[in-house]
Amino acid sequence: DAGVIQSPRHEVTEMGQEVTLRCKPISGHNSLFWYRQTMMRGLELLIYFNNNVPIDDSGMPEDRFSAKMPNASFSTLKIQPSEPRDSAVYFCASSRTAKDSPLHFGNGTRLTVT
Amino acid sequence: GNSVTQMEGPVTLSEEAFLTINCTYTATGYPSLFWYVQYPGEGLQLLLKATKADDKGSNKGFEATYRKETTSFHLEKGSVQVSDSAVYFCALRNNNDMRFGAGTRLTVKP
Repeated sequence: DAGVIQSPRHEVTEMGQEVTLRCKPISGHNSLFWYRQTMMRGLELLIYFNNNVPIDDSGMPEDRFSAKMPNASFSTLKIQPSEPRDSAVYFCASSRTAKDSPLHFGNGTRLTVT
Repeated sequence: GNSVTQMEGPVTLSEEAFLTINCTYTATGYPSLFWYVQYPGEGLQLLLKATKADDKGSNKGFEATYRKETTSFHLEKGSVQVSDSAVYFCALRNNNDMRFGAGTRLTVKP
């Protein structure tokens, strides 16, 4: 079990640039979640997918954020244009659909926007 | 709606002390409850879970019991170690609605 794989681990970019974060969920998991973690706001759910379909994107901060899941083994979170307040650690997590299934988290992408 | 409230930290203990981190929840129906642990530079890892009332989850000396009457899932450990220093998150899952508490930072001193 390779676990949830996120890339890159660290991303430093300048304000206004496009940022793409990538996630490979655990094989066989059909739910995928994107979270953002900051000291001020803690862990925030941005969006989750079920069977590759976005179910709830109410946590996406604004139109600059978009997420896709073109197939069961890959998802992206894109920020365009990026702003300094987007600096945070972004986590991807996957799980089976059953409500007693825990989420499995990747190690996160630390994004710094200067 | 669904929500989780956990004890604010930070919590500082001496090695071999008893640990309790309080967690209460609000939910419709019958959620599953979880404790996660996060070490520096890593993602959250499942520590233990309980899926119905009166279930006790346990792992690595940590325990938590699903108390429906008090809507609580408090985390306990009888004797903490320095290596237990981390941030602990209480969470609930109600279908695909997954909610986390704010996290409690635990520091254990030798």
